[in-house]
Amino acid sequence: AAGVIQSPRHLIKEKRETATLKCYPIPRHDTVYWYQQGPGQDPQFLISFYEKMQSDKGSIPDRFSAQQFSDYHSELNMSSLELGDSALYFCASSLRLYEQYFGPGTRLTVT
Amino acid sequence: AQTVTQSQPEMSVQEAETVTLSCTYDTSESDYYLFWYKQPPSRQMILVIRQEAYKQQNATENRFSVNFQKAAKSFSLKISDSQLGDAAMYFCAYRSEGDRDDKIIFGKGTRLHILP
Repeated sequence: AAGVIQSPRHLIKEKRETATLKCYPIPRHDTVYWYQQGPGQDPQFLISFYEKMQSDKGSIPDRFSAQQFSDYHSELNMSSLELGDSALYFCASSLRLYEQYFGPGTRLTVT
Repeated sequence: AQTVTQSQPEMSVQEAETVTLSCTYDTSESDYYLFWYKQPPSRQMILVIRQEAYKQQNATENRFSVNFQKAAKSFSLKISDSQLGDAAMYFCAYRSEGDRDDKIIFGKGTRLHILP
């Protein structure tokens, strides 16, 4: 069965640079969620989209923005990167209000 | 706001034995979902088991079962016949049933070690 695809799987950036993380949901899933998991931390919700519209927002810094495109894939854009942005970024997808399926994550390292 | 608390940062269990991971949560909602996720060293988030709050029957998935006490807001995970592959971080998690708030809220996690 198809799973959630995230790219890239690993990313190394320098401080003040910009990063773009991509998420391809399971086919026919209409909702995408982004979570951030810092080292030794639990995942924290960032933002979600339903039918290409933002549906909920968590503790997402103003330096981050995200969108969901017409093909339902989503991109998380992170600007002015800081050392504290180093984390594992998960994308999850679902049919609205049903089970969330997590992707393998993108490990972002900011140096 | 909902919160999830896991009071055991680490636990160890002998292979083939049974272990119980504790979780409590706080919510004012009556309808919600509870989950246990496993995160092995690969860091993949794997759903172990889920429980709908309206169901009185405890969920079971093979060697994994839960003890759901709604009034006490308690949701523990029992792993029977522990195997080396069960070694991982386990997260207890909560999700509202409402359509305006379906993000998952995670506890801090319990790292489970399996002793051979």
